[in-house]
Parts: sequence; structure tokens; C-alpha cells
Amino acid sequence: SQQGEEDPQALSIQEGENATMNCSYKTSINNLQWYRQNSGRGLVHLILIRSNEREKHSGRLRVTLDTSKKSSSLLITASRAADTASYFCATAISGNTPLVFGKGTRLSVIA
Amino acid sequence: GAGVSQSPSNKVTEKGKDVELRCDPISGHTALYWYRQSLGQGLEFLIYFQGNSAPDKSGLPSDRFSAERTGGSVSTLTIQRTQQEDSAVYLCASSGLSQNTGELFFGEGSRLTVL
Repeated sequence: SQQGEEDPQALSIQEGENATMNCSYKTSINNLQWYRQNSGRGLVHLILIRSNEREKHSGRLRVTLDTSKKSSSLLITASRAADTASYFCATAISGNTPLVFGKGTRLSVIA
Repeated sequence: GAGVSQSPSNKVTEKGKDVELRCDPISGHTALYWYRQSLGQGLEFLIYFQGNSAPDKSGLPSDRFSAERTGGSVSTLTIQRTQQEDSAVYLCASSGLSQNTGELFFGEGSRLTVL
């Protein structure tokens, strides 16, 4: 079974609005990562947050991690049409287990 | 090359035939992963190679699936006696860290269609 589950499955917003996607997971983790996938392409790494971190920023991206609730959120501020893609969270339980991905959130940003 | 390279990018085959998918990871990366992505779905883990350790094959869906990594670099995923449910995009990724704690670099995938 998949470790991470993203919510919502799909999200449609207007350009300039903020987009928030959530990820819940089941077991303790070493780190949590967010990836982006444009249609028909491979995944691109966005940001990694370690289990001892609570918040991390990268450009217009803000990621939070709540290990007590086993959840993470990805916030994209001032969205652009080019942000349209699927976004996946992935968790690493330990250093010797493979990254497990959720099913993703499909984000559509309408110009 | 600069990134992870996969070939072929597209493969159409008939049910029952064998297929081989190739992955060239980023030079020097010790970890290599294969994932499968069905249409509109998330990534399903298949197999994980880390250095000279025995691979983690726990995600392979059946004994028709196998993978090898020669010389710690190029990997080949083989699917024998393909079935229609094997149709998917097969994604390869590599990582440069000795442990699975860092980001993965993905190839563009090999789209397999089994008729």
C-alpha cells in the first residue's frame, strides 16, 4: 500500500491565487519530499524536508511538516499557469528503504 | 549524459512477447530505482539498487518482471510474456547519496503499450 496520500486529488485555481496541497502518511519517516510532474514527463524534485524540520521555503514554495499528525502541506504562492502539473509527496522511512510516492494532486492554474 | 536517460521512449508490443527497457543513470550515482506509473495514477515502486548491495525487489509484481544493473551503472528492466495490464510508463530514477535520504533524478520514462 502507498505510504503517502495527497489531498485533494485535483485542484483548479485562478492565476495569482495560492494553491495548497496536503499529504498524509502512515509510519515514521526519515524525510518527506515533494515532486512535480508535467504531463507526459518525468518527475522533478521540488523540496525535501527532514523529520526534525517543521517548515521549509524555496522561492514560491512553502512546505510544512507535522510529524505528530503525520502530515505535510505544500503551498504554492502567487500561482502561474506554468505551475499546472501533478504534485506528488514521497516519504523515506529510513536510509535503506525506497522512496514511496502518493497518488498525486493534479493542479490546474487558469490564466 | 547530464541526466537520466531511458530507452526506448515508446514501445508497442504484442501480448506474450518479452520486452527490455534500459536506464542510464547519472554518472556516479550509486542508487537506481524503477517505478511504474499507470495512466493518471501515482508511482508504484518496482525495484531498488544501491551500490553493491543486493537489490530490493519487493515491488516487482510477478516473476515475469526482473531487473539487473551491470557494473553499477546501466540497468535493464525485463518483462517476460507481457500482459495488457503491464501497459504503463516505466520510470527510472537515480540518486547520488549512499543512503536513500536525498532527491531522486528521474528519466522521461518508457511508455509501454501491450496490445
